[in-house]
Amino acid sequence: NAGVTQTPKFQVLKTGQSMTLQCAQDMNHNSMYWYRQDPGMGLRLIYYSASEGTTDKGEVPNGYNVSRLNKREFSLRLESAAPSQTSVYFCASLDRATNQPQHFGDGTRLSIL
Amino acid sequence: GEDVEQSLFLSVREGDSSVINCTYTDSSSTYLYWYKQEPGAGLQLLTYIFSNMDMKQDQRLTVLLNKKDKHLSLRIADTQTGDSAIYFCAEMYSSASKIIFGSGTRLSIRP
Repeated sequence: NAGVTQTPKFQVLKTGQSMTLQCAQDMNHNSMYWYRQDPGMGLRLIYYSASEGTTDKGEVPNGYNVSRLNKREFSLRLESAAPSQTSVYFCASLDRATNQPQHFGDGTRLSIL
Repeated sequence: GEDVEQSLFLSVREGDSSVINCTYTDSSSTYLYWYKQEPGAGLQLLTYIFSNMDMKQDQRLTVLLNKKDKHLSLRIADTQTGDSAIYFCAEMYSSASKIIFGSGTRLSIRP
């Protein structure tokens, strides 16, 4: 009964380092999403994958890349981390066929020094 | 453009009703959602409404949808201290599988 699992939960990086945030869901959902949440702000969509094999940019894609590895997994990569990318990152999944609400992971708290 | 707007803060007295408002832009949106986020936690789905509905009630929660004005509201009856949180409105864009969130309304409860 895991739902959406994100790893790691916390990470500190130095400016310029690279990192991949992992997300996996076990609900057989076809759509997956990456958001970032900054203090005092809502969630902003970085990238999403409507179905396996497709990815699309959201509101704030610059500085990020994504990979929809298979139906279960959707990873977010920071190639050269910048302090402006310090944030809490949430992964979510959704079954487009039934349009049930998104299920969210617990978040990854990322600090870039 | 795509936008979901909410007021940033709401303060209510314990036991009163809270009404959190949201406006959205996409008239073709199919689903509208309310999420709750407590400090340091993830997002918890509270309720959602299909765009062909005007109202949905679930225990202390009542959602009202005015499609003409693109306005969504969440009413919490008999507000308790445990209701203190940030509440996010979100809409699904049917054309693009995207879900866009508002900036959240911070609800505080005073005794």
